Amino acid sequence: DAGVIQSPRHEVTEMGQEVTLRCKPISGHDYLFWYRQTMMRGLELLIYFNNNVPIDDSGMPEDRFSAKMPNASFSTLKIQPSEPRDSAVYFCASSPGQGINYERYFGPGTRLTVT
Amino acid sequence: GQQVMQIPQYQHVQEGEDFTTYCNSSTTLSNIQWYKQRPGGHPVFLIQLVKSGEVKKQKRLTFQFGEAKKNSSLHITATQTTDVGTYFCAGGRNKLVFGAGTILRVKS
Repeated sequence: DAGVIQSPRHEVTEMGQEVTLRCKPISGHDYLFWYRQTMMRGLELLIYFNNNVPIDDSGMPEDRFSAKMPNASFSTLKIQPSEPRDSAVYFCASSPGQGINYERYFGPGTRLTVT
Repeated sequence: GQQVMQIPQYQHVQEGEDFTTYCNSSTTLSNIQWYKQRPGGHPVFLIQLVKSGEVKKQKRLTFQFGEAKKNSSLHITATQTTDVGTYFCAGGRNKLVFGAGTILRVKS
């Protein structure tokens, strides 16, 4: 199994630009999670999907952030417009279940730098 | 909201020394998971504990879940340079919440 795939691995953009991060979960996993990691705030859950439907987006920082999952094998996280404070590593993770008893399989992450 | 506190934030040990990180919650946890993130890498699942007082071992790593299910610990015996990284606990009742992590550095 290839594991969770994310692209790009690194993204450098200017403030105000639109950024789109992509994720392909592990086949057969019904749950997909987007996390953001910074030194100050640690690992934060932004949003998660079950069977392509967004279930909890309470962690999405503001309206500039949006996430979609058009099918079981693809999800995007979009930031528009981007700001320097969005600089972080964004991880996508998938799981066969949402419950707390299921481990999260993390992708390699996208390191975003907004200048 | 639900929080999982982890201490210490950072530890620097000499190779061969032991290392312990602690995870605490003010509420009872249904389970606790532990992850390791190598520098520049992504979190990787290590283990899950579910039962009160549970102890599990993986080679030099020993994981414990408290009797009250409010705390947990990860102990590494005789650290090696390959143990370097950040160790996260994650737990909850209805939602999996990650601790801030403990960064381990090993001097050889």
